[in-house]
Amino acid sequence: DGGITQSPKYLFRKEGQNVTLSCEQNLNHDAMYWYRQDPGQGLRLIYYSQIVNDFQKGDIAEGYSVSREKKESFPLTVTSAQKNPTAFYLCASSYRDNQPQHFGDGTRLSIL
Amino acid sequence: GESVGLHLPTLSVQEGDNSIINCAYSNSASDYFIWYKQESGKGPQFIIDIRSNMDKRQGQRVTVLLNKTVKHLSLQIAATQPGDSAVYFCAETPSHSGTYKYIFGTGTRLKVLA
Repeated sequence: DGGITQSPKYLFRKEGQNVTLSCEQNLNHDAMYWYRQDPGQGLRLIYYSQIVNDFQKGDIAEGYSVSREKKESFPLTVTSAQKNPTAFYLCASSYRDNQPQHFGDGTRLSIL
Repeated sequence: GESVGLHLPTLSVQEGDNSIINCAYSNSASDYFIWYKQESGKGPQFIIDIRSNMDKRQGQRVTVLLNKTVKHLSLQIAATQPGDSAVYFCAETPSHSGTYKYIFGTGTRLKVLA
């Protein structure tokens, strides 16, 4: 079955540590996205990528970095510069703009 | 447990009744809308979408209504089942080419009572 796989499901970060969240899709979608979900708030866009080797900052990109070396993969690194990283992170993909985004089952990041 | 969904408005319905979940969207330029369902500990699941050239669209047991005059979107679920219990939220975006940014609502929690 086609879908989006995020790993790990739970992740813990120590102070000063960078951590990387994995997102893989086999839907043959061109566009991929990273969102952050906090209690009582709508999804907030961190980064998105329309095509391989290209990505754009979203609304809350500070403290995060991404790469898009392959169509299937869009990893997110939460750097030590992100001072409030505790959240539920969601990866999504879509065939193109203005098409439904399909989501993975998320990674919950917590601070040790 | 899943902390997403704290302090959300809650709609409680009896099993078998119809549910109506509402969404007021913010951007008058938005012309593509999506409803998502999110169960505890999982990612959002696409339910149905609608473009602004339509007022109504039906799927299996779900109907989306769009009122552009008052910028209002609703999701109707027929014969609500226990498996429908989840957080539902809408998303909006202007559909002109090249816009990848969506605005997501905070959601409504649907509780189905046996």
